[in-house]
Amino acid sequence: EVQLLESGGGLVQPGGSLRLSCAASGFTVSNNYMSWVRQAPGKGLEWVSIIYSGGSSYYAEAVKGRFTISRDNSKNTLVLQMNSLRPEDTAVYYCARGPSKRLLDYWGQGTLVTVSS
Amino acid sequence: DIQMTQSPSSLSASVGDRVTITCRASQSFSTYLNWYQQKPGKAPKLLIYAASSLQSGVPSRFSGSGSGTDFTLTISSLQPEDFATYYCQQSYSTPYTFGQGTKLEI
Repeated sequence: EVQLLESGGGLVQPGGSLRLSCAASGFTVSNNYMSWVRQAPGKGLEWVSIIYSGGSSYYAEAVKGRFTISRDNSKNTLVLQMNSLRPEDTAVYYCARGPSKRLLDYWGQGTLVTVSS
Repeated sequence: DIQMTQSPSSLSASVGDRVTITCRASQSFSTYLNWYQQKPGKAPKLLIYAASSLQSGVPSRFSGSGSGTDFTLTISSLQPEDFATYYCQQSYSTPYTFGQGTKLEI
């Protein structure tokens, strides 16, 4: 059974850093297309980043240069390193799997990141 | 970036109704379009991919159509569990943008 479990969210001050993890089971992270999608409180879904099975990565303009997506293959885990956090980064962050870059077929339950002083 | 615009933003309907939600893209991209359903406090769920392909396990009352810039999600006969928010997403080019959502209410 495919499962995704995010962790690492919490309260952080503006300008701070946070590292989100997404532990996967039932499939191999490195063989799939893995994404992060966020949702600000009461708002819609916002695509954040994707890492292709081949290793290429792409980012939304709003996070480019501040966030880094990566994989820890030894732990079968997806990671999002978030630096220089801003209040507008406050959201629930979901990790999601895609058997291709074209769709997201399994999602985690999300982890809340709050950026506030 | 490709902008995705859904209409309507909210919709009131009744059990048994046929409902159609529209998604329009700011540029043409064939059929690289997905639909997701999200219920309050839950993660989104994939319903339709490649504009018209039904994801495994999704009831057949859900269907999708369209290509180019105009796409639709149709629910043929609304069930109580279908009241949720629906999002389209283009998967043609990064950033893989979502529509703003359509909230389907009783």
